Amino acid sequence: QKEVEQNSGPLSVPEGAIASLNCTYSDRGSQSFFWYRQYSGKSPELIMFIYSNGDKEDGRFTAQLNKASQYVSLLIRDSQPSDSATYLCAGYDKVIFGPGTSLSVIP
Amino acid sequence: GAVVSQHPSWVICKSGTSVKIECRSLDFQATTMFWYRQFPKQSLMLMATSNEGSKATYEQGVEKDKFLINHASLTLSTLTVTSAHPEDSSFYICSAPGGASGNQPQHFGDGTRLSIL
Repeated sequence: QKEVEQNSGPLSVPEGAIASLNCTYSDRGSQSFFWYRQYSGKSPELIMFIYSNGDKEDGRFTAQLNKASQYVSLLIRDSQPSDSATYLCAGYDKVIFGPGTSLSVIP
Repeated sequence: GAVVSQHPSWVICKSGTSVKIECRSLDFQATTMFWYRQFPKQSLMLMATSNEGSKATYEQGVEKDKFLINHASLTLSTLTVTSAHPEDSSFYICSAPGGASGNQPQHFGDGTRLSIL
């Protein structure tokens, strides 16, 4: 069964620090991975997607994919209180979501 | 960018009522749409895949007679929760793929918060 695993947290980091969020997946055939941010009571919003091995950077966000290890991560640099949310990792297939990691950025 | 409109955003009704939730793709055609359910403090759980012009594909454990899905056009999918009970209270979210390629993200509706009394 295809699964996406995440550390549910909560993860707390001080403002300005780097937040590191991790995700592992079971399906070696998965080609694309997506990171979404979800505020309480709201729908998910896309942060980044990655489908090639290595790093992809977009502003303060960097996604890293290692297909051999079946591992994808998201780094948030200079974390801000507004980054406090639940972060969901998803593989494309049927858009199966991980359980999400709750991030709290402390001012 | 692509927009998915979901309506209503909030429903409160009595036990035994049937509730219909609509999901529309506003500026693109969606042959496939996904329906999710999310309980508090939990992740999104895929309920079913809605296919335009054919039957929906339900995930294991989801009652197809309880959650009726209709995808009659390329821009509209509906989810009807029949004879809703308090345990059906949840946040329901629809989404549509951004494209046929697996590299495109989902476009999400704003969700429907359903409360059954």
